[in-house]
Amino acid sequence: QQQVKQSPQSLIVQKGGISIINCAYENTAFDYFPWYQQFPGKGPALLIAIRPDVSEKKEGRFTISFNKSAKQFSLHIMDSQPGDSATYFCAATNNNNDMRFGAGTRLTVKP
Amino acid sequence: EAGVTQSPTHLIKTRGQQATLRCSPISGHTSVYWYQQALGLGLQFLLWYDEGEERNRGNFPPRFSGRQFPNYSSELNVNALELEDSALYLCASSVGQVNTGELFFGEGSRLTVL
Repeated sequence: QQQVKQSPQSLIVQKGGISIINCAYENTAFDYFPWYQQFPGKGPALLIAIRPDVSEKKEGRFTISFNKSAKQFSLHIMDSQPGDSATYFCAATNNNNDMRFGAGTRLTVKP
Repeated sequence: EAGVTQSPTHLIKTRGQQATLRCSPISGHTSVYWYQQALGLGLQFLLWYDEGEERNRGNFPPRFSGRQFPNYSSELNVNALELEDSALYLCASSVGQVNTGELFFGEGSRLTVL
């Protein structure tokens, strides 16, 4: 069932540090890889996404690195802030509209 | 513009009962998705509806079912509730294919089965 494997399950980072979350997928038909951010009591919201034709995408402090041959992608949060504390989900989908999510990473950024 | 709305926020049922959860998508969105978020398991895909039809379902038993109404709202029914059905049920909507856009999630319905 879990076609996208995510690690670590939880992560604690000091303010100003770099948070790194990793994901691996199995289905080579996936062609869109978004990351969702979920705060307590809220639904997940799209943070950043990448397609396999590029190896990196950066939006502000958030960067996705993508390795197509290894079927892996990761989220890097630079200069992590306490407000970044949330649960992060990687996901993968294709034109079947079937979005598969990882198990989530609970990030805590300590002040 | 109103986001995805779900009701009820919380629901407590006993084993063997039936639960009905409801979702209203963002205006203009024709696709509705249901996900189960159980502790430590991330978001598990349940069902996808588009234009009133069930387009895909995840690896869940048939007692998980639903429908989409002509106004694109949707309901999820869970029959013969089991303890392990306790979870947050998230509804999401989208316009077009999700690999060209994004899923917009509601805040979920927390189902507790005693």
